[in-house]
Amino acid sequence: SQQGEEDPQALSIQEGENATMNCSYKTSINNLQWYRQNSGRGLVHLILIRSNEREKHSGRLRVTLDTSKKSSSLLITASRAADTASYFCAPGGAGNNRKLIWGLGTSLAVNP
Amino acid sequence: DVKVTQSSRYLVKRTGEKVFLECVQDMDHENMFWYRQDPGLGLRLIYFSYDVKMKEKGDIPEGYSVSREKKERFSLILESASTNQTSMYLCASTPSRGNQPQHFGDGTRLSIL
Repeated sequence: SQQGEEDPQALSIQEGENATMNCSYKTSINNLQWYRQNSGRGLVHLILIRSNEREKHSGRLRVTLDTSKKSSSLLITASRAADTASYFCAPGGAGNNRKLIWGLGTSLAVNP
Repeated sequence: DVKVTQSSRYLVKRTGEKVFLECVQDMDHENMFWYRQDPGLGLRLIYFSYDVKMKEKGDIPEGYSVSREKKERFSLILESASTNQTSMYLCASTPSRGNQPQHFGDGTRLSIL
């Protein structure tokens, strides 16, 4: 298992704008997951992208994966105040996700 | 939907007390995890369990123990609470098959006075 590193650490945008968060990792992966955490709550799984996929969509979320650059991005389109949260990436190795190592996340503030 | 329930959202205990944090999941998941989350340090794994009565140390097991007597329940025990164990504690579960998301409880904010 390995750690994903999110960038930027903090992001502040206006409602309606798009938000892009990036994740980098160091070794080969089987999949990569994105999670969201509202203040004072647990993490919620958003999307999983496998290593043989380049892009995946879910509602207003778009995730890309570039295994050659060992990086992923999460795009939230037409952001809302309710998207204010911290976002974490979790690179997954082969086998089951017994251990994921978590980065510090990107703290997103969407201002009304 | 998977539900992971942590017994308390907020808990205040005193130094030296034995503290039990309980976590129950309702989806028959094999894997269960205990994390703590601190500002600037992120989410760190304390212990995890991949089957009943099985456990493995995570990155920061010192001062903690765990118990998994039934598949649905994973308990975290602070043997003798100290102030540096004041933190947000998060429980998660996931099935053992393939690469599946971790499902988290809402967390327990524990304060040790």
